[in-house]
Amino acid sequence: KQEVTQIPAALSVPEGENLVLNCSFTDSAIYNLQWFRQDPGKGLTSLLLIQSSQREQTSGRLNASLDKSSGRSTLYIAASQPGDSATYLCAVRQQTGANNLFFGTGTRLTVIP
Amino acid sequence: SQTIHQWPATLVQPVGSPLSLECTVEGTSNPNLYWYRQAAGRGLQLLFYSVGIGQISSEVPQNLSASRPQDRQFILSSKKLLLSDSGFYLCAWRDGTIEAFFGQGTRLTVV
Repeated sequence: KQEVTQIPAALSVPEGENLVLNCSFTDSAIYNLQWFRQDPGKGLTSLLLIQSSQREQTSGRLNASLDKSSGRSTLYIAASQPGDSATYLCAVRQQTGANNLFFGTGTRLTVIP
Repeated sequence: SQTIHQWPATLVQPVGSPLSLECTVEGTSNPNLYWYRQAAGRGLQLLFYSVGIGQISSEVPQNLSASRPQDRQFILSSKKLLLSDSGFYLCAWRDGTIEAFFGQGTRLTVV
């Protein structure tokens, strides 16, 4: 069964710093990987989606990479801002079964002004 | 554009009471619909998914059930809530596209 792990579980950085969040998965038979943001008590907002055939995707200050063969993805946030504070979740969509999403437990990011 | 509605936002229910959470999607047809639960300190756990009206698949045996009476309506229910049913419940949808979209969630506290 697919297992998704995110490291670190929590991260605090001063404003302006660049940072990297890590996601690893055990089964490389995936369609895509999606990064989400979750604010406290709220639903998930999709940030970036990388197809299994892609290596990276960029949106503004966010850049996500995917190394499918090694089961790893990173989310790079440039010039962090206090508004970036949230929990970041990665999820992989399986090729097998009902193509469901498997989530990591998230990284809670705090950007200190 | 597509939107997803989930209600209520918060709910406090006594043990043994029934539950009904509703999720509706607008702007799309025949979506795949999902119910997830997020317990404190844990990741999202897939509870149910549906690929069409009346078609429900359960991922985890539990005290809950799901129904899809209409194409864009997904309901999560329980006849008798347990303390362990407390958590944050999220509805999501996906159509022929590759991306999943989530509702704003329901915080359920069973007391």
